[in-house]
Amino acid sequence: SAVISQKPSRDICQRGTSLTIQCQVDSQVTMMFWYRQQPGQSLTLIATANQGSEATYESGFVIDKFPISRPNLTFSTLTVSNMSPEDSSIYLCSVYAFPNTEAFFGQGTRLTVV
Amino acid sequence: DQQVKQNSPSLSVQEGRISILNCDYTNSMFDYFLWYKKYPAEGPTFLISISSIKDKNEDGRFTVFLNKSAKHLSLHIVPSQPGDSAVYFCAANYGTSYGKLTFGQGTILTVHP
Repeated sequence: SAVISQKPSRDICQRGTSLTIQCQVDSQVTMMFWYRQQPGQSLTLIATANQGSEATYESGFVIDKFPISRPNLTFSTLTVSNMSPEDSSIYLCSVYAFPNTEAFFGQGTRLTVV
Repeated sequence: DQQVKQNSPSLSVQEGRISILNCDYTNSMFDYFLWYKKYPAEGPTFLISISSIKDKNEDGRFTVFLNKSAKHLSLHIVPSQPGDSAVYFCAANYGTSYGKLTFGQGTILTVHP
């Protein structure tokens, strides 16, 4: 299994500002993903972070709001832009590495927007 | 549209007894199912999975059963231990969409000593 480090683990931010979350993996992985867990809700996939190209976003999520970078096979960032209180959630980085059949998760970033 | 549903928000079980967590899905394209456990302030941890070509997979105290005709799966934990107390998520994906998971809402399991 991969060891995934996410930073920061938590933050309290002012509305209108942006926060960049980092995800570092201890080995090269095939795919990296970003999920969001809103309070009391399930985990929802935001996007697939593609190495060297633009991320692939799921329905309801757009690049202007959640820009994602993946410069190499072990690192990705998610930015939550122009934040509002509705963005208060746990944001999770996830990785998949062939030939495993399961995805592994980081510890998450708990974001509170005030 | 909730494609994966866990209809029981919580479950309370006595230590040593069996815990049964249920999950239903609506998307017939799903062909791989996973269970994750999540403690507060931690990310989900993979527990066990099952392919749609099987109806049962066992790993120690954890067994997952799949009923494709009913679009239903369940996780059995025997015997339950206080350390099993956590939120359990059912997840599914299909085809080659490895890692792109659709999650249920989660069930909070509490195992009492």
